[in-house]
Amino acid sequence: DSGVTQTPKHLITATGQRVTLRCSPRSGDLSVYWYQQSLDQGLQFLIQYYNGEERAKGNILERFSAQQFPDLHSELNLSSLELGDSALYFCASSVGQTDYTEAFFGQGTRLTVV
Amino acid sequence: GESVGLHLPTLSVQEGDNSIINCAYSNSASDYFIWYKQESGKGPQFIIDIRSNMDKRQGQRVTVLLNKTVKHLSLQIAATQPGDSAVYFCAGNTPLVFGKGTRLSVIA
Repeated sequence: DSGVTQTPKHLITATGQRVTLRCSPRSGDLSVYWYQQSLDQGLQFLIQYYNGEERAKGNILERFSAQQFPDLHSELNLSSLELGDSALYFCASSVGQTDYTEAFFGQGTRLTVV
Repeated sequence: GESVGLHLPTLSVQEGDNSIINCAYSNSASDYFIWYKQESGKGPQFIIDIRSNMDKRQGQRVTVLLNKTVKHLSLQIAATQPGDSAVYFCAGNTPLVFGKGTRLSVIA
């Protein structure tokens, strides 16, 4: 158990809908990272938050947004869902922001868009 | 931005042999390079890291080599075991960006 909790584990929804994925980081970790993993794209970095502020942005679509709350949990919002958004979404957390500290991954949320 | 990639998508190794997984990177801004292992149905898990000012770092049965001249990173696994079967990712840390990964299959 990495200490990072993601909910829900599985999510099935229809095209055009909006969903929210939740991540609770390990106790004491200030950074949260979001990744999308599909079969042909590997682990795509979406966005990183550190202590409530956006720290780095990757290949995140405009239909997607995220935030980190004062209690440090984070949510990834996916809207106007398309079939191609079906993927595993991982959250990771680490203590630091740019200085390297080991990142711990959750078990992921499997999103299926039908 | 950071870009990392793997030379081979799959690698099959006989149990007991050594495995070498390679990775190329394009952006030299990372302070660290990291290897992660992802077993089926699980999230990635840290294996070992190396600072950008080092050439080699050894862990338990694993060694990471960094060649900054050709921007190449490799992970060597000694005496590969069935439990090593997984997808291996390399990553730079500014930010934590991963390549596509190499699937290691260990043949018993």
